Amino acid sequence: GDSVTQMEGPVTLSEEAFLTINCTYTATGYPSLFWYVQYPGEGLQLLLKATKADDKGSNKGFEATYRKETTSFHLEKGSVQVSDSAVYFCALLDYTGTASKLTFGTGTRLQVTL
Amino acid sequence: KAGVTQTPRYLIKTRGQQVTLSCSPISGHRSVSWYQQTPGQGLQFLFEYFSETQRNKGNFPGRFSGRQFSNSRSEMNVSTLELGDSALYLCASSLAGQGWDGYTFGSGTRLTVV
Repeated sequence: GDSVTQMEGPVTLSEEAFLTINCTYTATGYPSLFWYVQYPGEGLQLLLKATKADDKGSNKGFEATYRKETTSFHLEKGSVQVSDSAVYFCALLDYTGTASKLTFGTGTRLQVTL
Repeated sequence: KAGVTQTPRYLIKTRGQQVTLSCSPISGHRSVSWYQQTPGQGLQFLFEYFSETQRNKGNFPGRFSGRQFSNSRSEMNVSTLELGDSALYLCASSLAGQGWDGYTFGSGTRLTVV
């Protein structure tokens, strides 16, 4: 079945550092890919998405490119802020034509310090 | 525009009891999905509903059930609660039935079984 693998956390960075969170997937076909972020005590917020190969999703300074050849969707940000501290989830959409569901990675906790 | 609303936010139940959780999707969204989040298992898919029909079901025992009403509001029910059912239950809605636009999540219902 479909699966998503994320790098283990926590990732601890100083403010203004460069961020990369690795995400690779296994799926039949070409699923849509997403990054979600979860702040303490809250639900998931959609951060960005890409629906086909070579698409780049971007939002709030975060970017991720759908790489079909490496089955990857790594999240990057050039300069992180303390407010970016949260748990980040990579996910793929499994759509069969009659039903859909998201398959999530295990999440990567990011902690940004001053 | 109101987001996805889940009620209640917190619940404490005793083993063997049953519980009903409610989800109101974003107005106009017809697809509603439910996920269970636990520290050990991460985010796991429970069900997906579209136009009052369950289109997809995850690998959970029959004690977990759900339904969707004509106004797209959804409920999920867990009977004969076990300690392991303690989790954050997240509801998500999507405008597009396929989910390609990305799901919008509610803040969740935190269920504690004692």
